[in-house]
Amino acid sequence: AQSVTQLDSQVPVFEEAPVELRCNYSSSVSVYLFWYVQYPNQGLQLLLKYLSGSTLVKSINGFEAEFNKSQTSFHLRKPSVHISDTAEYFCAVILGGSQGNLIFGKGTKLSVKP
Amino acid sequence: EAGVAQSPRYKIIEKRQSVAFWCNPISGHATLYWYQQILGQGPKLLIQFQNNGVVDDSQLPKDRFSAERLKGVDSTLKIQPAKLEDSAVYLCASSLNSGTGGTQYFGPGTRLLVL
Repeated sequence: AQSVTQLDSQVPVFEEAPVELRCNYSSSVSVYLFWYVQYPNQGLQLLLKYLSGSTLVKSINGFEAEFNKSQTSFHLRKPSVHISDTAEYFCAVILGGSQGNLIFGKGTKLSVKP
Repeated sequence: EAGVAQSPRYKIIEKRQSVAFWCNPISGHATLYWYQQILGQGPKLLIQFQNNGVVDDSQLPKDRFSAERLKGVDSTLKIQPAKLEDSAVYLCASSLNSGTGGTQYFGPGTRLLVL
């Protein structure tokens, strides 16, 4: 069965420290990969996505993720986090050949402390 | 551009009662999704519409859940009768079209508590 695994349910980190949120997937077909962010009391927002081309994708607020096909991973990184990055982050995939519905991981709560 | 609108934002009902949620997608978006997000889990697709037709409802508990998008714009999701395990956030999302590249835009969700 196709699935998305986010190994860490919570990640506490100090402000200006680097962070990595891990995401692994299992699929027998090609996948398209996404990271969504949910700030407190807000809806899900797309942070970045990989569809094809360069395996390193970046967001406008300093996050980046790299598609690693051999490791079946799409980890999210930021070299220096801010208090405002405190949120829940969801990794998701769309299976190639599907109708485009997202399959989500369970989410990782990032808490940035001063 | 207005985002995806959902109402109500919160709903508390007793088990065996019925409840309905409403979603208005972004104007011009042909594809509409309903997801269920149980506490501590990621969202799970319940049903996907392309215009007013159902594309995927394989994970919709059809004995108690129903959804419609009669005019291909807004949509309602109904639960009748509700069970305790239906307590969750119900998310509506829309995209220009279906397929792999279309970004899905999410509404704020309706938080349902079944007592």
